[in-house]
Amino acid sequence: KQEVTQIPAALSVPEGENLVLNCSFTDSAIYNLQWFRQDPGKGLTSLLLIQSSQREQTSGRLNASLDKSSGRSTLYIAASQPGDSATYLCAGDQGAQKLVFGQGTRLTINP
Amino acid sequence: DVKVTQSSRYLVKRTGEKVFLECVQDMDHENMFWYRQDPGLGLRLIYFSYDVKMKEKGDIPEGYSVSREKKERFSLILESASTNQTSMYLCASTSTDFLSSTDTQYFGPGTRLTVL
Repeated sequence: KQEVTQIPAALSVPEGENLVLNCSFTDSAIYNLQWFRQDPGKGLTSLLLIQSSQREQTSGRLNASLDKSSGRSTLYIAASQPGDSATYLCAGDQGAQKLVFGQGTRLTINP
Repeated sequence: DVKVTQSSRYLVKRTGEKVFLECVQDMDHENMFWYRQDPGLGLRLIYFSYDVKMKEKGDIPEGYSVSREKKERFSLILESASTNQTSMYLCASTSTDFLSSTDTQYFGPGTRLTVL
């Protein structure tokens, strides 16, 4: 059964720093790997989706990579801003859009 | 923009009550999903549906049922609410052909349900 793990559970950095969030999964047979953002008490917003045949995707200051052989994905945030403070979740698509989520990394950017 | 709406942001019910959580999407998506989110456990899939009148069990369907009579609406039903069903419930939808799996899921704002 697929398990998705995110480390660390929480991260606090000063504004302007570049940072990396980590996601690992146990079963490499995923169709894609997705990164979401969740603000407190709200739903999830999709950030990036990496197909199983791709190695990375970029959107603005965000870059996500996927290494299926090692069972890892990273989300890189450049020049962090206080507005980036949120919980970041990764999810592996097992097929048929059945997502298995990690428990998230709560990110705080300090002004 | 895709819009997924949920009928209530906050809901308080008593043990044993029948509870309906409604989800509506306005983008003609075929696929809809219900999750619950709990601290320390993350998001877990309860039920999903690929078409009208179709439903599939997710990872934790016990104590829940669903209804999809129209394409845009997917309802989660707690037949007899219990305190361990206190949680944040999130609905999502997506338009992809599930075999190609090329699109992301769009989430509603969530319903925080408390069962007393």
